[in-house]
Formats: sequence, structure tokens, C-alpha cells
Amino acid sequence: QSVLTQPPSASETPGQRVTISCSGSSSNIGGNAVSWYQQLPGTAPKLLIYSNNQRPSGVPDRFSGSKSGTSASLAISGLQSEDEADYYCAAWDDSLNGLVFGGGTKLTVL
Amino acid sequence: QVQLQESGPGLVKPSETLSLTCTVSGYSITNNNYWGWIRQPPGKGLEWIGTIYHSGTTYYNPSLKSRVTISVDTSKNQFSLRLSSVTAADTAVYYCAREVSRSREHWGDYWGQGTLVTVSS
Repeated sequence: QSVLTQPPSASETPGQRVTISCSGSSSNIGGNAVSWYQQLPGTAPKLLIYSNNQRPSGVPDRFSGSKSGTSASLAISGLQSEDEADYYCAAWDDSLNGLVFGGGTKLTVL
Repeated sequence: QVQLQESGPGLVKPSETLSLTCTVSGYSITNNNYWGWIRQPPGKGLEWIGTIYHSGTTYYNPSLKSRVTISVDTSKNQFSLRLSSVTAADTAVYYCAREVSRSREHWGDYWGQGTLVTVSS
């Protein structure tokens, strides 16, 4: 059981927009910034979003993040087949004094 | 550029200690970053194990804290993980990562490729 809650799966057709949610509490998302990671099959996770909505250099602007209260979202617009991957949210948890992850969302591009 | 590489035995017997090392290249481990370990059991999600600053300050996942030790060797630009009394539940791909930590923010920006550790007799 993950501290942060994500839907296990999401799907959308190419070119469309998809949103993945991440729900937490006041001890994590409510008080700390959220990061998002993309994990392509058989590879290591890659940082996609940090500080709720900042993209590292090289990440396309099709990827965007937002946060409101104790929830966060990752949006992917102009969906492409290569976006098919697992996506994880994460945030520092003040009660646990550690980094916590969501359970991951498997995105299928139909 | 920053690169991290995990190394260590791929097979560990139950009740023994898992030991992994992460070698950092292209960046000094004494810079202002934390250095962390994350694992992923086969077919499952990510679990943060813990992190260390070059000064030796550590933070551990409470669920693993009694069995985990993370250390740093600045002379070799490496940091290490030791997980004692392993069971089959510790079978996972283990990743090391450079972590950025500042007020109210903490994330991993560079990750190693990961190494599979299997616990079996």
C-alpha cells in the first residue's frame, strides 16, 4: 500500500491529452513539492517534473505538472506512442521523514 | 555528465546481508546533493530505501530502518547500501540516484541503470 495514491492504469489515443492524478496528505503533498518520473519498459526511472511543475532540460513541454492542496496531477498532451510507460509521483513526507512514491500508473497509448 | 553505476552480487542467500555500491562519475559526491537508494520488486512499484549526504547525515525508510545502513566514501566518489537479514521479499532491482534536497523539496534527478538482486538459497 503506497503512501501516495495513483490510478493503476490510464489510456488514451495518440494526439489526445491524458491526466494522471496523485493523492496524498498534509504531511507529504500538502506541505512539500511533488516530482514525477517516467519509466519506460526495462529502463530506470527518468525525472519528468520537479518542484510541482518544473521540467528538466530535455523534457518536452507536452508534459506538465500541477498541484492543489494534497493532490497533484501530471498532464501529457499530444500523446505519442513512445509515451507508453509507467508514471510515478513522489514527495517528501514530514511524518515519515522520507521520500514516498505513488504506486505508479501504467499509461497505454491505444 | 553525471553518471551513476550500481555494482554488487546479483544473488544473496536468505538471512545474509545485501551489499551494493554506487560509483558516481562526472560529478563530485561532496557537492551539495544527497545520494539515495531506491528499489523495485519485479512487476511492482518504486520504494525509497534511504539517502545520505556527504557529511554522513542519513535518512531511512522507517519500514527498513532497522536493517539498512547507507555509507559514503568520498575518496572513491562512491556510496554504499547494506541491507541485513534479507528474505525473498527483498528481491528487487536496486537503483542509486543523485537527489536534490532543499526546503520543502526532494527529488532524484540522475539515476543509475539499476541492478537486480535476487534473494535465494
